[in-house]
Amino acid sequence: DQQVKQNSPSLSVQEGRISILNCDYTNSMFDYFLWYKKYPAEGPTFLISISSIKDKNEDGRFTVFLNKSAKHLSLHIVPSQPGDSAVYFCATISNFGNEKLTFGTGTRLTIIP
Amino acid sequence: GAGVSQTPSNKVTEKGKYVELRCDPISGHTALYWYRQSLGQGPEFLIYFQGTGAADDSGLPNDRFFAVRPEGSVSTLKIQRTERGDSAVYLCASSAGPNYGYTFGSGTRLTVV
Repeated sequence: DQQVKQNSPSLSVQEGRISILNCDYTNSMFDYFLWYKKYPAEGPTFLISISSIKDKNEDGRFTVFLNKSAKHLSLHIVPSQPGDSAVYFCATISNFGNEKLTFGTGTRLTIIP
Repeated sequence: GAGVSQTPSNKVTEKGKYVELRCDPISGHTALYWYRQSLGQGPEFLIYFQGTGAADDSGLPNDRFFAVRPEGSVSTLKIQRTERGDSAVYLCASSAGPNYGYTFGSGTRLTVV
């Protein structure tokens, strides 16, 4: 039972354009969402997060949008740079108190120079 | 050290053998997590320590898996009678506590042949 879904396993975007990565979740009780970025042979690194009391959070080139009614969130990267090529995971905290994360399956983003 | 250290980085073992994977968290971090990432999947929660005790071990797949953190710092994940299905990247993360976020190690890639 996949509670967090990333339906696009891969995405290719031209350098300088906008990258949009999508994530859907099933449990309306989730109320904190995170995006992680992972390079090969490294652990995931935190990118940006959003609480359910907001519908948008921005940090530099990265913006996360949350649509609670659709149980959907997206990560926008603009402008995309070659160093953004990585696997991106969305995640949600499923149990506040121990902050156990539930991850999606990931989207591999490739930025084409 | 400055980050979460995991050793070994790679481990190849024969089916049926016993393995130990080590995690050295960031100094002073009280919370420690183990996750497992299989090919094409996102990381999946295994176990969470708060100090020396396992506060949540609900993600351990079966009784062949066990983890300890005897002094509240270094943790060891132990797998008995390894099976080919145990092949995955085992990730460790530590945190200073709720709302402080995780720092992941680079993982141990376990291959059972």
